Amino acid sequence: GQQVMQIPQYQHVQEGEDFTTYCNSSTTLSNIQWYKQRPGGHPVFLIQLVKSGEVKKQKRLTFQFGEAKKNSSLHITATQTTDVGTYFCAGPTSSASKIIFGSGTRLSIRP
Amino acid sequence: NAGVTQTPKFQVLKTGQSMTLQCAQDMNHEYMSWYRQDPGMGLRLIHYSVGAGITDQGEVPNGYNVSRSTTEDFPLRLLSAAPSQTSVYFCASSYTGGRGNSPLHFGNGTRLTVT
Repeated sequence: GQQVMQIPQYQHVQEGEDFTTYCNSSTTLSNIQWYKQRPGGHPVFLIQLVKSGEVKKQKRLTFQFGEAKKNSSLHITATQTTDVGTYFCAGPTSSASKIIFGSGTRLSIRP
Repeated sequence: NAGVTQTPKFQVLKTGQSMTLQCAQDMNHEYMSWYRQDPGMGLRLIHYSVGAGITDQGEVPNGYNVSRSTTEDFPLRLLSAAPSQTSVYFCASSYTGGRGNSPLHFGNGTRLTVT
């Protein structure tokens, strides 16, 4: 079945360093969503990308959707301790009926 | 608005017991879904519903049942709990699910332990 993979699984950075997580789908996605889950919390929607090659920014976060609409990335510039958490990508299946998630990237930060 | 409400927050079951995890949303969302979260496994879809009276299986449906008699409620039933079902369970809803561009709203989760 359709799969959404994320790498890396874990990332430990020094505060102020950059961070990137990558998301790859086995099939073309009509859109991709990104979520953040703080430790002990629930996933919270960050952003959605729809167009091929789309790039969106939210302050220090930059989101990209690949030209083939099969991959995406989230880049955080100059990480802060508030960025700690697990970042998930998610997309609809090819039948468009349901939404499946990547395995997530857990970000931890050394102050 | 309360958003997505899940109960209980914590539950301990013995192997073989049954129980129902409750999920309710007050946003008039058509799409509702259940995920389980295990360390290193991300969020895996158990069952989902695209509207009242309609349910379908996700990635890991075995051992779970759902029903959708109203737009607001989407309970998840564990028929005979097993230790492998120890997990954190999240209910999530959206206006359109995979067919549109609306984001998922998550409940606070239920932490289930099966001994």
